[in-house]
Order: sequence, then C-alpha cells, then structure tokens
Amino acid sequence: GENVEQHPSTLSVQEGDSAVIKCTYSDSASNYFPWYKQELGKGPQLIIDIRSNVGEKKDQRIAVTLNKTAKHFSLHITETQPEDSAVYFCAATRTGANSKLTFGKGITLSVRP
Amino acid sequence: GAGVSQSPSNKVTEKGKDVELRCDPISGHTALYWYRQSLGQGLEFLIYFQGNSAPDKSGLPSDRFSAERTGGSVSTLTIQRTQQEDSAVYLCASSLAGTSVNNEQFFGPGTRLTVL
Repeated sequence: GENVEQHPSTLSVQEGDSAVIKCTYSDSASNYFPWYKQELGKGPQLIIDIRSNVGEKKDQRIAVTLNKTAKHFSLHITETQPEDSAVYFCAATRTGANSKLTFGKGITLSVRP
Repeated sequence: GAGVSQSPSNKVTEKGKDVELRCDPISGHTALYWYRQSLGQGLEFLIYFQGNSAPDKSGLPSDRFSAERTGGSVSTLTIQRTQQEDSAVYLCASSLAGTSVNNEQFFGPGTRLTVL
C-alpha cells in the first residue's frame, strides 16, 4: 500500500517569510496529492491539490510542486501570516471509485509575528 | 450549505464501557470515512463506506471497533469495551466518490474521546 512521509514535524518561520513543507510517497501509481490544513479544534480542510499530469499549481500565496520521478511533493506558502499557523497534512492516492487517501503525520507550522 | 457534523463533540467514558460516535455527512455524498487522530499523530484510516458496496474495514485496529452506515447517510462508529489507548479525536469525512475527478474529503469537527 501507499506510505506517505512528512518531515520535519514542526516548522517555525517569521511573518512575511516563505515556508516549504515536503512530503514523499511510495506508490508510483498514486496520481492525486492534496494538502489539508487543520486549525486548532477543527477538522482538516483542503487548501490545494495537484494531479500527476502537472508539475506545479498555484493559488494566491500557496503553491504545490510535484516531482513524480523522485516521488515527492511540496507545499509552498509565501508571505506567511499568523493565520497560516496550523497543522498541515499531505496525502496521496490513486484516483478511482474506491480510492482512499493515505495521509502523512502532519507538520505544525508556527508563524512568528 | 451544511457541512459534515459529528456528535458528541466530546465524550468522556470509563474503561470497559461501550461508546457510539455519530457522523452526518454532506447530503448527496456517497463516500464516508472514519479516521482516528491521536495526540501529535496523523490521520489513521479506520473504515470507508462507498455507496452500497461492502465497507473497507482494513483500518479498524481491533474487533472492538465497528461501524455502520444506515440508508447510505448517517454513520455510527462503535467502540466496545473501551481502553485508555482508544483516547483520541475521531474524525469523519465525506466525499463525492465514484469519480476520478475530485476526491476532496470534507471533514467534520471530530469527537474527542477520553477513556479514563
């Protein structure tokens, strides 16, 4: 089955700086890679995703890059703000009728004001 | 519109008791998932329902755990003879499955279970 690794477990950045969170996956057949943000006391929420037919996707201050050869993908947050502080989960799956996501362990991002 | 709701939001129980956790998915979502999130850990998959298909129970940690989904909508996760290691946040998610286009899962706020 799929195995998703996420390192490090915590990341602290200064407000305004960029943050990069990296994940690796094991199943070369995986073709869908979402990122979820979990704020304290809430369930995770999808913030951006990427499919294996593209290498990069942007949405305002966030972007995701995918390297299929190396089997890793990264979340990039520019101009970080205190409200970006949260736990971020990466996940991977093969899309299909019975697909389910395999999540990484999550990284706690702290943005220092 | 209404999102995924879960009840109760918090549950404290004594070791050995049974508990039931409820999930109301988004209307029209055919797929429903249960996850367990222990302190400082990621999302551990427990069980997955897709329409009328047999559920994928491959993530259930022991036979004390079971889940049902009645009428393709509401789901109940039951933990029998609870143990202290069952203490965690139990998250439910639903999605428009059966498509290769969008697998976005919408999560509920979770139920925090504490076993004393």
